[in-house]
Amino acid sequence: TQLLEQSPQFLSIQEGENLTVYCNSSSVFSSLQWYRQEPGEGPVLLVTVVTGGEVKKLKRLTFQFGDARKDSSLHITAAQPGDTGLYLCAGSVDSSYKLIFGSGTRLLVRP
Amino acid sequence: NAGVTQTPKFQVLKTGQSMTLQCAQDMNHNSMYWYRQDPGMGLRLIYYSASEGTTDKGEVPNGYNVSRLNKREFSLRLESAAPSQTSVYFCASRMGGARNEQFFGPGTRLTVL
Repeated sequence: TQLLEQSPQFLSIQEGENLTVYCNSSSVFSSLQWYRQEPGEGPVLLVTVVTGGEVKKLKRLTFQFGDARKDSSLHITAAQPGDTGLYLCAGSVDSSYKLIFGSGTRLLVRP
Repeated sequence: NAGVTQTPKFQVLKTGQSMTLQCAQDMNHNSMYWYRQDPGMGLRLIYYSASEGTTDKGEVPNGYNVSRLNKREFSLRLESAAPSQTSVYFCASRMGGARNEQFFGPGTRLTVL
C-alpha cells in the first residue's frame, strides 16, 4: 500500500509566524500536488512539482520536491488568517491516472 | 465556465435507500473521479473513469456503482445506503498529461441514518 504521510496534522499559529508542512512517502512520485481546502468546499490546486529538487514559489508559499521525489514540503512565510484551511498533498506513481492523498494538515492562523 | 458541478449539495438517507450523485464538467477533460472524504483520512478514491466508456475501481469501491454517461457526466450510485457511507463525496476531473492535476467540485455531504 502506497502511503503519503503528512505532518503535523494540526497547526495553530499567530499571524506573522512562519510554518512548514511536510509530506513523506517511501514511494517515488512522478508528480506531486499541493491543494488547499476550505470548509464546505472542494480542494483547490495550489501547485504541481515534477522534478526532483524543484522549488516553486507562490507569493508567501514555497513548495519543494525532494531530490529523490519521495517527499515534499510547503513553507508559509508570515502567515495570514486567509491562509487558514486544510492543506493536502497528493502524488501519482508512474504517471498513473490515480492520485494518492495524504491525510492533510489543518492550519489555523489566529489574528 | 462552471468547472466541476455536483448535485445535490446535501442529502439525508435512511439505511437501505438508494440514490445517485451527479457530476458534470465543462472543461473537456477525459478523466473523471469520485472520492470520499472522512475526518482524518484525507481523500480516498472510490471509482474513476480514465476516458469515456471506461470505469475502474479505486481504493474503496464496495457499495458503489458508477456510470460515465458521456464525456461531461460521471454519476455515483449507492444501491442500498449504509451508515458507513456517511461522508462528503467529491467529484474531480483531470486535464490529462503526466502532471495529473485534478479539479474538484464543491462536494455532496451525505448522511445515512
